[in-house]
Amino acid sequence: SQQGEEDPQALSIQEGENATMNCSYKTSINNLQWYRQNSGRGLVHLILIRSNEREKHSGRLRVTLDTSKKSSSLLITASRAADTASYFCATDAGTGNQFYFGTGTSLTVIP
Amino acid sequence: GAVVSQHPSRVICKSGTSVKIECRSLDFQATTMFWYRQFPKQSLMLMATSNEGSKATYEQGVEKDKFLINHASLTLSTLTVTSAHPEDSSFYICSARDRGRIKSPLHFGNGTRLTVT
Repeated sequence: SQQGEEDPQALSIQEGENATMNCSYKTSINNLQWYRQNSGRGLVHLILIRSNEREKHSGRLRVTLDTSKKSSSLLITASRAADTASYFCATDAGTGNQFYFGTGTSLTVIP
Repeated sequence: GAVVSQHPSRVICKSGTSVKIECRSLDFQATTMFWYRQFPKQSLMLMATSNEGSKATYEQGVEKDKFLINHASLTLSTLTVTSAHPEDSSFYICSARDRGRIKSPLHFGNGTRLTVT
């Protein structure tokens, strides 16, 4: 399967704490993206990191990429209750056109 | 921002009937759209890649005669679940990429919850 794996599967933290999610994948990539999904809804794009980048920031989000280990991490700082959602990493399939999603991390931020 | 509209958001149908789901890119053109299936608390599984003006490309294990895909224009792709059975009940999500921005992220519809009784 080309699908990536994420850990933890579920994460519960207090508001204000940081949340870290990890993603591992199997094949070489052009880029890796992180998406957020609220329950029963579509996905919202959060951040994209290219294969030649090691770290990227966007607001309270920080993404790292280690292509030698085929892994990425998403850090959400100063979490809020509204950050409660599922988070997925997605990698392209080499053609740059198809994306395969990781297994996802369900984040619960307790107010 | 780029918007993808998916319709209907929920549908209940009886076994043996067919259901059509539409995916529209509202403010951009998409030569390629993607259809995913998602089971409860699980990840998205790519079902097929819909190509405007040509046949869809199906992932291994996905029945092309069961899940008919038509991409007749640069803004519309449809997925028809034919002769639906209860095991087809799932959350179906489409996505699209702006043809003018090859390396842009995918834009997702809000999904369709299909329940087959």
